[in-house]
Amino acid sequence: DVKVTQSSRYLVKRTGEKVFLECVQDMDHENMFWYRQDPGLGLRLIYFSYDVKMKEKGDIPEGYSVSREKKERFSLILESASTNQTSMYLCASSYLNTGELFFGEGSRLTVL
Amino acid sequence: AQRVTQPEKLLSVFKGAPVELKCNYSYSGSPELFWYVQYSRQRLQLLLRHISRESIKGFTADLNKGETSFHLKKPFAQEEDSAMYYCALSNQAGTALIFGKGTTLSVSS
Repeated sequence: DVKVTQSSRYLVKRTGEKVFLECVQDMDHENMFWYRQDPGLGLRLIYFSYDVKMKEKGDIPEGYSVSREKKERFSLILESASTNQTSMYLCASSYLNTGELFFGEGSRLTVL
Repeated sequence: AQRVTQPEKLLSVFKGAPVELKCNYSYSGSPELFWYVQYSRQRLQLLLRHISRESIKGFTADLNKGETSFHLKKPFAQEEDSAMYYCALSNQAGTALIFGKGTTLSVSS
């Protein structure tokens, strides 16, 4: 079974703090993704990566950055958290461009 | 522009009734479409994709290019089908998925 593990299930941060969300997959997938999931807005793509050290902006990259130093790990960084970044963050991985994404359990971030 | 539209936020049906979750898309070329499902307290997971043309858990979805639709159907709903359903479209480069806003299906007895 493919396993995508997000390090934190729940986080509470203050406005202006730097936030790291970590994601690890164990199936040697090339592609990794960060989405945010909000009620009424569905899933929106923040960033994705198709190889180590490679990244592409998704639909809503503003206020976020990512890091992929190793194939299995993809980190989402909020340089200065704001209240409108309160959300559920989903990490996913896939083998090449198959369209079959394997998701983590999600990280629910609250920014106060 | 590539876009996925799911017009219903919530669909409530009784057990045994037919179900149709609507999905329309906007895309230039030949689209790749998917349905993902998220059951309560579970991960989002792939339900089916149009190229496989298979039935999963009794659900089917047919790509209608003329109507640019990919509706998800099941003839007899079951309570365990209650979940959030997302329609998704592969982007032009084939590198990521564009998701709709989702439809919550509620099946009651």
